[in-house]
Amino acid sequence: KAGVTQTPRYLIKTRGQQVTLSCSPISGHRSVSWYQQTPGQGLQFLFEYFSETQRNKGNFPGRFSGRQFSNSRSEMNVSTLELGDSALYLCASSLLASGSNTGELFFGEGSRLTVL
Amino acid sequence: DAKTTQPPSMDCAEGRAANLPCNHSTISGNEYVYWYRQIHSQGPQYIIHGLKNNETNEMASLIITEDRKSSTLILPHATLRDTAVYYCIVRVYSGGGADGLTFGKGTHLIIQP
Repeated sequence: KAGVTQTPRYLIKTRGQQVTLSCSPISGHRSVSWYQQTPGQGLQFLFEYFSETQRNKGNFPGRFSGRQFSNSRSEMNVSTLELGDSALYLCASSLLASGSNTGELFFGEGSRLTVL
Repeated sequence: DAKTTQPPSMDCAEGRAANLPCNHSTISGNEYVYWYRQIHSQGPQYIIHGLKNNETNEMASLIITEDRKSSTLILPHATLRDTAVYYCIVRVYSGGGADGLTFGKGTHLIIQP
């Protein structure tokens, strides 16, 4: 079956702009979580959605938001972009919340955002 | 979630077993040990997880010490494609609404031809 699909794969924005990233989970998976990866901070948890509800949130400012649709697809939005938001944004899906059933998260290839 | 300590890098010859250690001395009784790896420019990939018993799957084996304060991931016959950053994570295996995974720096495993 198809894996986790993230779009776009690469994008360039300027400071102050906003960006929306999309994630399509594996068919049948109801949980989608988002991570930010930077060389300095590594992989950091942003938030998790399960059945259209945000279940958990990491320690990120309110400029970072997300949502999940009834078909489990998810989007995350970053407003008022800063240079430090340049990162690889990874989406992961699992059958249940945060991989709680099997411990297994399936990650996409990521969306690489560059803020100039 | 408990903190883990891993060596920053390791080398292993192709075809040999790669043994990646992880210390988690503050692990609590309900925390599982998970291993993921990330090959350059790709998303992390789940490898294996366990609680107290040793586990094996098609990718690797996980050996957890009796006191559960450390574990070892074993790749039995390493190939060049196993070159990646390997992350050891401990977390509660809850029924729902769990927090996200906390990734540390991991171990950069380099398989030498």
